[in-house]
Amino acid sequence: DIQLTQSPSFLSASVGDTVTITCRASQGISSYLAWYQQKPGKAPKLLIYGASTLQSGVPSRFRGRGSVTEFTLTITSLQPEDFATYYCQQFDSYPRTFGQGTKVEIK
Amino acid sequence: EVQLVESGGGLVQPGGSLRLSCATSGFTFTAYSMNWVRQAPGKGLEWLAYISSVGSPVYYADSVRGRFTISRDIAKNSLFLQMNTLRADDTAVYYCARNGYGDFRAEYLQEWGQGTLVTVSS
Repeated sequence: DIQLTQSPSFLSASVGDTVTITCRASQGISSYLAWYQQKPGKAPKLLIYGASTLQSGVPSRFRGRGSVTEFTLTITSLQPEDFATYYCQQFDSYPRTFGQGTKVEIK
Repeated sequence: EVQLVESGGGLVQPGGSLRLSCATSGFTFTAYSMNWVRQAPGKGLEWLAYISSVGSPVYYADSVRGRFTISRDIAKNSLFLQMNTLRADDTAVYYCARNGYGDFRAEYLQEWGQGTLVTVSS
């Protein structure tokens, strides 16, 4: 199975900050990586797929980059509604796997 | 508007069974592959099962293979998860999720239901 390791697991930031979350895959997954945002008590929401393609309706302050084994999600100019938990997920092979999550909290 | 609405969750004793349903609307059900994903209380996301747009192939996580069965009913535009031999560690919110449109390159989880809580306890 492909393991996804996110770092950091927890991040404290202020409104207006730029933050970057890293997701590392245990083996190459080309660009078959997605990023999701989840707020407490809510279902996850797709932000980015194919490592760098923004899902329709997602603000352009979210940016995904990377390929093969190393990927990043960058959020520029953090907004109050961006404080949430973020997960990466690979769709290169079965079983699908998620990273353990990165919680972004208000400093 | 795309809608995925799960139902069928509840309290069940260890060793028991439960069938979850996911009623869909707002898209052509037969054109999309579907998944079940769960989240234990305070934990991360765990993918469980996949079913293609035509009903086969299906794939499962090791943690549920042999106990859970994913299926779909095109007449009802619905997805199901039959869960047998339930254990305490199956306690979680269960989400159905629709893939993107297209081939293997679109198998990200594009649309999600609101989830249904399954509690396995005596």
